[in-house]
Amino acid sequence: AQKVTQAQTEISVVEKEDVTLDCVYETRDTTYYLFWYKQPPSGELVFLIRRNSFDEQNEISGRYSWNFQKSTSSFNFTITASQVVDSAVYFCALSEANNAGNNRKLIWGLGTSLAVNP
Amino acid sequence: ETGVTQTPRHLVMGMTNKKSLKCEQHLGHNAMYWYKQSAKKPLELMFVYSLEERVENNSVPSRFSPECPNSSHLFLHLHTLQPEDSALYLCASSQSGLAGRNNEQFFGPGTRLTVL
Repeated sequence: AQKVTQAQTEISVVEKEDVTLDCVYETRDTTYYLFWYKQPPSGELVFLIRRNSFDEQNEISGRYSWNFQKSTSSFNFTITASQVVDSAVYFCALSEANNAGNNRKLIWGLGTSLAVNP
Repeated sequence: ETGVTQTPRHLVMGMTNKKSLKCEQHLGHNAMYWYKQSAKKPLELMFVYSLEERVENNSVPSRFSPECPNSSHLFLHLHTLQPEDSALYLCASSQSGLAGRNNEQFFGPGTRLTVL
């Protein structure tokens, strides 16, 4: 069965600290996608990144970076030099394949609530 | 308007009321979704519509009734709800629902529903 685990329920850091949010997943599919979403206090989930299971290259986007390790089934997210505006709940998700082999249904982690304090 | 919009943003209703949640997407997507988000639980997928056809219904009680009149609009009709139905209801859309391998979902801000 597919499963996404975000072991950190809440993290609190001081501005400018680096912080890593962990995501561990389980799947029997060989082809899958991994996602990170951000949910600020306003409520909407904001798409951050999608990663294909065949692409293990790490990705950097400004202060955000993602470390995909297939060997440990992890897809961790690091924010460098955190800012107060980074305060939000962050969700990791896994895209499940349906019987036709198309990825559609998202399996969600419980989220990590990040508080960045000034 | 851009992206995905939802109205109302907040709704308080009694158990005997009938109300509807509305979602509209301005992204030209073909698939739309309803999710329920409760505290300390993973997001629960309720319904998926692809090209206006319901393609997924995850054992949702019949007191929730979706409607998708066209690919840009999605409704969730509510009647005789229970207090445990209080949650944030999120709408999302994606380019494709059935044949997508890169199906980023774009979310609206949600409707915070409280059932008294």
